[in-house]
Amino acid sequence: ESVLTQSPDTLSLSPGGRATLSCRASQSVRSNYLAWYQQKPGQAPRLLIYGASSRATGIPDRFSGSGSGTDFTLTISGLEPEDFAVYYCQQYGSSPLTFGGGTKVEIK
Amino acid sequence: EVQLVQSGAEVRKPGESLKISCYGSGYSFSTYWIGWVRQVPGKGLEWMGFIYPADSDTRYSPSFQGQATISVDKSITTAYLQLSSLKASDTAMYYCARVPYIVVLSGTINSFFDSWGQGTLVTVSS
Repeated sequence: ESVLTQSPDTLSLSPGGRATLSCRASQSVRSNYLAWYQQKPGQAPRLLIYGASSRATGIPDRFSGSGSGTDFTLTISGLEPEDFAVYYCQQYGSSPLTFGGGTKVEIK
Repeated sequence: EVQLVQSGAEVRKPGESLKISCYGSGYSFSTYWIGWVRQVPGKGLEWMGFIYPADSDTRYSPSFQGQATISVDKSITTAYLQLSSLKASDTAMYYCARVPYIVVLSGTINSFFDSWGQGTLVTVSS
């Protein structure tokens, strides 16, 4: 099973700032099959990125994904008030599908 | 618009069972896999399994094999998650989610989720 470790646990930033979230896999993620989700309190997760770097439909271009192999990054450029949330990575390059533990982006 | 609407919150006693529903609309229900994901309060996300409505092909995470039963009634575009012999540790939010396309690797089905239901909170308490 591929274990995904996200860091940091919490990121404290100001609106307008730049968030850099890390997701590290215990084994190489085949074909960069990695997705990122955003979850706000009381809501279901929302798909942001798939295939490590492809934005989902309707996702603003301030969200970008990068990385390959075992190291992946989600970058949010110019944080908007609605971006403060928890972010999860998920790999689908091997079974079972696994999610990271999440990174909370909070207002500083 | 793709919509997945789940049944409401449930409260059960240990040892009881329940069945959660997930109604899909706004797309060709039969031709997209549906997945189920568990989230224990305050914790992360765990994939439970998938089902393909067209032929009811079902795949489970090893962690949930034998613990959960996924089914579907494509005539009413509804998927189900049944949990039996409930324990306090089954207290969680359960989400259904649509799979936009699958990746078949060594005979296993893998993917991500592009649309999610609103979640069904299951509380197990004596």
